[in-house]
Amino acid sequence: KQEVTQIPAALSVPEGENLVLNCSFTDSAIYNLQWFRQDPGKGLTSLLLIQSSQREQTSGRLNASLDKSSGRSTLYIAASQPGDSATYLCAVGAGGTSYGKLTFGQGTILTVHP
Amino acid sequence: DTEVTQTPKHLVMGMTNKKSLKCEQHMGHRAMYWYKQKAKKPPELMFVYSYEKLSINESVPSRFSPECPNSSLLNLHLHALQPEDSALYLCASSAYRGLQPQHFGDGTRLSIL
Repeated sequence: KQEVTQIPAALSVPEGENLVLNCSFTDSAIYNLQWFRQDPGKGLTSLLLIQSSQREQTSGRLNASLDKSSGRSTLYIAASQPGDSATYLCAVGAGGTSYGKLTFGQGTILTVHP
Repeated sequence: DTEVTQTPKHLVMGMTNKKSLKCEQHMGHRAMYWYKQKAKKPPELMFVYSYEKLSINESVPSRFSPECPNSSLLNLHLHALQPEDSALYLCASSAYRGLQPQHFGDGTRLSIL
């Protein structure tokens, strides 16, 4: 059974800092990995999707990397802003008969203060 | 604005009621998903539909009954729910099952009295 762990559980930083969120998974036989943000009381917003054959993806100030063999992904946020405050979730996409299933980590609660 | 629309946004129901949650997308996606999210927990997959056919059922109790009447619409019929079923129910869609990013709606917050 796939297990996904995110570290740290919570992070508070001043505006302007660069930061790294970590995600690890136990079964390396994944199809893809997706990073989301969730604002309180809202649904999930997709940030980046990395296919299993890729090493990284970038969108604006966000960069996500994937090391499938070691079961790790990182989300790098450059020049953080108060608007980046949210819960960030890592989700691993399964293959085989569970193709399409996402298994989520517990999330990292990020607070960026002015 | 989210491209996946869920209604209603909030629902309060008794344990003997029958109600339905509705999800719509007009992005031409052929895969749709139901997730359940308890407070301060990550979403957990319930069902996956691909080309209007049920592909994955994560051993969800029969008091939850999904339906996909067409490629744009996904329903979740609720009957005889328990208080522990109170949660945020999220719908998502993707172009095809598996490889493409999943796009989520804002959810229906369900409270069972």
